[in-house]
Amino acid sequence: DIQLTQSPSLLSASVGDRVTITCRASQDISTYLVWYQQKPGKAPKLLIYAAYTLHSGVPSRFSGSGSGTEFTLTISSLQPEDFATYYCQHLNSYPFGQGTKLEIK
Amino acid sequence: QVQLVQSGAEVRKPGASVKVSCKASGYTFSAYYIHWVRQAPGQGLEWMGWINPKSGGTNYAQKFRGRVTMTRDTSITTAYMELSGLRSGDTAVYYCAREVDMTIGFDPWGQGTLVTVSS
Repeated sequence: DIQLTQSPSLLSASVGDRVTITCRASQDISTYLVWYQQKPGKAPKLLIYAAYTLHSGVPSRFSGSGSGTEFTLTISSLQPEDFATYYCQHLNSYPFGQGTKLEIK
Repeated sequence: QVQLVQSGAEVRKPGASVKVSCKASGYTFSAYYIHWVRQAPGQGLEWMGWINPKSGGTNYAQKFRGRVTMTRDTSITTAYMELSGLRSGDTAVYYCAREVDMTIGFDPWGQGTLVTVSS
């Protein structure tokens, strides 16, 4: 089974910072990787699919990159509404990473 | 707009079963798989399985095989997830989500249904 490992698990940052979250797959998954954002008490929302394609309506400060086994989600300039938990997911066997909580420093 | 609306919170005793519904609207129900994902309190997301609304075919995560049953009623564009043999570790928020396709992922998600298992 494919496993996804996110790092870090917890990230403290300030408004305006540039932050990067990494998702590593246990084997080559090409670009079958998506990213979700989840805020407390809410359902996850799709951010990025096919590793780097922004979903409709997602601000351009979000970007994704990678292929194979290593992927990154970058937020270029953090806004107050970006503090949330982020998950990666592989679209074949559908496992999720364990999540990265982005908190205000 | 495309929307998934789930049934309300449930409380069950250990050993019981629970059935959660997911009403779809705003799109052709039979054209997109419905997945179920759960999230225990303070924990991450766990994929449970999918149902093909067109054929009724299912695929369950190994962990839940034998305990989960996913069904649908196309006449009312509703998918269901039933989990049996409940234990305290099944206390979680259960989400349904539409798979756009296998390169795009899940969008949208239902609002979630809290299932509490307690004696």
